[in-house]
Amino acid sequence: QKEVEQNSGPLSVPEGAIASLNCTYSDRVSQSFFWYRQYSGKSPELIMSIYSNGDKEDGRFTAQLNKASQYVSLLIRDSQPSDSATYLCAQTANNDMRFGAGTRLTVKP
Amino acid sequence: DVKVTQSSRYLVKRTGEKVFLECVQDMDHENMFWYRQDPGLGLRLIYFSYDVKMKEKGDIPEGYSVSREKKERFSLILESASTNQTSMYLCASSLWQGSGQPQHFGDGTRLSIL
Repeated sequence: QKEVEQNSGPLSVPEGAIASLNCTYSDRVSQSFFWYRQYSGKSPELIMSIYSNGDKEDGRFTAQLNKASQYVSLLIRDSQPSDSATYLCAQTANNDMRFGAGTRLTVKP
Repeated sequence: DVKVTQSSRYLVKRTGEKVFLECVQDMDHENMFWYRQDPGLGLRLIYFSYDVKMKEKGDIPEGYSVSREKKERFSLILESASTNQTSMYLCASSLWQGSGQPQHFGDGTRLSIL
């Protein structure tokens, strides 16, 4: 069973700080990685995708991928209370997508 | 934008009933998926489909079946509902998975079996 591991949290950061969310995976064949945000009672919403080693920035979000160490991370700069949600890491290899259990983030005003 | 529509946001059914959950996507995606999500257990794949009339079992197919008669529609069927099937059900779709495409989710159906 290929696993995607995330710290379940909760992770609490003050407003304006950088939130750092981490994910490790065991499948070395993994090709593509995604971060989803899920508000309480809502469905997951795609916020970032990353396919190659290094950093990818989109607004306040930066995804980082290190295939040699088998981890992917998500940084949220200038965190806002509206960023409070559960963040799911997902990876695909061939025809399979695996999700982590999610990290719950709370941004305190 | 991709639109995945699930027929009901909330549904209450009785034990032993046959329950149908419907999902429609408007982006001509080949792949469609059904998950359930429970606190502490994350997303668990029930069934998926790569093409019309084609289905594959996921991690927890027992007690469920699916139907895909048209490319845009993927139905989840609870043959004889039981209380342990009370959950949030999420439908998703994606382009052909081999190209590493993300999945896009519907709003979910919160199903309660009494």
